Amino acid sequence: GDSVTQMEGPVTLSEEAFLTINCTYTATGYPSLFWYVQYPGEGLQLLLKATKADDKGSNKGFEATYRKETTSFHLEKGSVQVSDSAVYFCALYTQGGSEKLVFGKGTKLTVNP
Amino acid sequence: EPEVTQTPSHQVTQMGQEVILRCVPISNHLYFYWYRQILGQKVEFLVSFYNNEISEKSEIFDDQFSVERPDGSNFTLKIRSTKLEDSAMYFCATSYEQETQYFGPGTRLLVL
Repeated sequence: GDSVTQMEGPVTLSEEAFLTINCTYTATGYPSLFWYVQYPGEGLQLLLKATKADDKGSNKGFEATYRKETTSFHLEKGSVQVSDSAVYFCALYTQGGSEKLVFGKGTKLTVNP
Repeated sequence: EPEVTQTPSHQVTQMGQEVILRCVPISNHLYFYWYRQILGQKVEFLVSFYNNEISEKSEIFDDQFSVERPDGSNFTLKIRSTKLEDSAMYFCATSYEQETQYFGPGTRLLVL
């Protein structure tokens, strides 16, 4: 079945550092890819998405590019802030297949001042 | 900006009791979902609901669970005879076109 693999956390960075959180996927169809963020004590918020190969999703300074050749959707941000501390989830959805989102395990990011 | 809301935010119950978790979807959304996240584990799909019936359910969603839209606005998840292993965060999600799903803040259920 479809699956998502994320880099193990936790990740700890200093403010203004560069962030990469790796995400790779396995899918039988042609999925759409998502990053969700969960701030402490809150629910899942959609951060960005991409629906086809080479699409770049972006929001709040975060970016991720849909790479079909490497089945990857890595999340990046050039300069993290303390307020970016959260758990980040990579997820996929396959059109015409199951209706569910398939999530990775999540990566906890802590940004120190 | 419209958002999905869930009540209660926290629920503590005794093993064997029934609980009902409530969700108010974004108003023009047509597809509704429940997911759960056991502490430290992945977010797992439970069930999807469209046009007043279940459209897909996972192997987790057994006879202990049920969903309904009792009044055309709320979307509820009922767990009958709760077990210790039902302790988790339960998320409602809604969507207009299935693919992009918007999540509520979750209900943290603790079964003692």
